[in-house]
Amino acid sequence: LAKTTQPISMDSYEGQEVNITCSHNNIATNDYITWYQQFPSQGPRFIIQGYKTKVTNEVASLFIPADRKSSTLSLPRVSLSDTAVYYCLVAFQTGANNLFFGTGTRLTVIP
Amino acid sequence: KAGVTQTPRYLIKTRGQQVTLSCSPISGHRSVSWYQQTPGQGLQFLFEYFSETQRNKGNFPGRFSGRQFSNSRSEMNVSTLELGDSALYLCASSLALMSGEITYEQYFGPGTRLTVT
Repeated sequence: LAKTTQPISMDSYEGQEVNITCSHNNIATNDYITWYQQFPSQGPRFIIQGYKTKVTNEVASLFIPADRKSSTLSLPRVSLSDTAVYYCLVAFQTGANNLFFGTGTRLTVIP
Repeated sequence: KAGVTQTPRYLIKTRGQQVTLSCSPISGHRSVSWYQQTPGQGLQFLFEYFSETQRNKGNFPGRFSGRQFSNSRSEMNVSTLELGDSALYLCASSLALMSGEITYEQYFGPGTRLTVT
């Protein structure tokens, strides 16, 4: 059974870069990692997805090292509105029951 | 464009009863997935439907079932409710254009909070 773990919580000051790591079994080269943000009383919101070493969009970057045993969400210059819980989702491309969310990281951005 | 809607938003049921939850995806989205969220187990994948067919399934007992209609709306059903089924049930839709297309860019609804007493 795949186990996907994240740090329980992180604090950061406004304007800093934040890196949140997701640890998982070593994934195959075509297995996807997706990150979501969740505010209280809302469903998760998509941030970024990918399976390659580095993916970047307008709000975040996703890094997957060569051993593929972890992945990192990088948020540049966080603001107070980024205070939320962040989840990684590991999607294995083979086998059934192949989607596993991480345990979630509560990010608190401090003024 | 309207987001994913789920009904009802809150529900209280008694052990042994059954419940049906409804989800309307974003217009044009053909893939609908269901997730269970609890404080103890976190977010867990239930199943995914695409074009009225269950394409993927998580590790939940047969009491949990779902279906998708031709308009992509989806329902999930839980029979013989147990106290442990109390949770937030989330529906998510995605724009999978072809049956084999892979995307995990999902749009979630606000969820249905089910309480089993």
